[in-house]
Amino acid sequence: NAGVTQTPKFRVLKTGQSMTLLCAQDMNHEYMYWYRQDPGMGLRLIHYSVGEGTTAKGEVPDGYNVSRLKKQNFLLGLESAAPSQTSVYFCASRKSWDSRYEQYFGPGTRLTVT
Amino acid sequence: AQKVTQAQTEISVVEKEDVTLDCVYETRDTTYYLFWYKQPPSGELVFLIRRNSFDEQNEISGRYSWNFQKSTSSFNFTITASQVVDSAVYFCALRPFQGAQKLVFGQGTRLTINP
Repeated sequence: NAGVTQTPKFRVLKTGQSMTLLCAQDMNHEYMYWYRQDPGMGLRLIHYSVGEGTTAKGEVPDGYNVSRLKKQNFLLGLESAAPSQTSVYFCASRKSWDSRYEQYFGPGTRLTVT
Repeated sequence: AQKVTQAQTEISVVEKEDVTLDCVYETRDTTYYLFWYKQPPSGELVFLIRRNSFDEQNEISGRYSWNFQKSTSSFNFTITASQVVDSAVYFCALRPFQGAQKLVFGQGTRLTINP
């Protein structure tokens, strides 16, 4: 099992460009999450999904869109990147609603918007 | 609404000293989990511990120990005889039992252990 993987690991964008971050998990997990980490602010939830075809907004959803067309993949899109979106992005997945199950985190994607 | 506060932004100690990282949380849920994660310089998030709100027993794992006090809404983390490898950012987090069970993180404490 690869666990949770994120593509790419690093990216530099110019303001106004678009890109998609891919999160993939091979554990057949139902729940998937996207977080962003900024200095002094911990991790904040952007969007999440409780199953294939579902998405919901988290704490800081503005400027991002997500899709969960396949159970194993959760895509995070930036349509028009802004310098405020410079951050480290973490994806996580969880097996199901059962509270005993843990979240597994990916290695992170470092995004810089100039 | 849930909130986790780690008031210590940065801590620096000399190797072999004991150090305590503070975590205070707010929640209206009666059932929840509390977590500690470690983020070493390499950047990944390493799970350290999970406690549920029913269990207030302190826990010890090697040089690590955790003190959960529901009365003061605190879940503090102590490293005994610190080592340089303990240098990292440490996050406390809260997750309710119900709903989408989203993790709410504190701001993190950057711990530096000097040789």
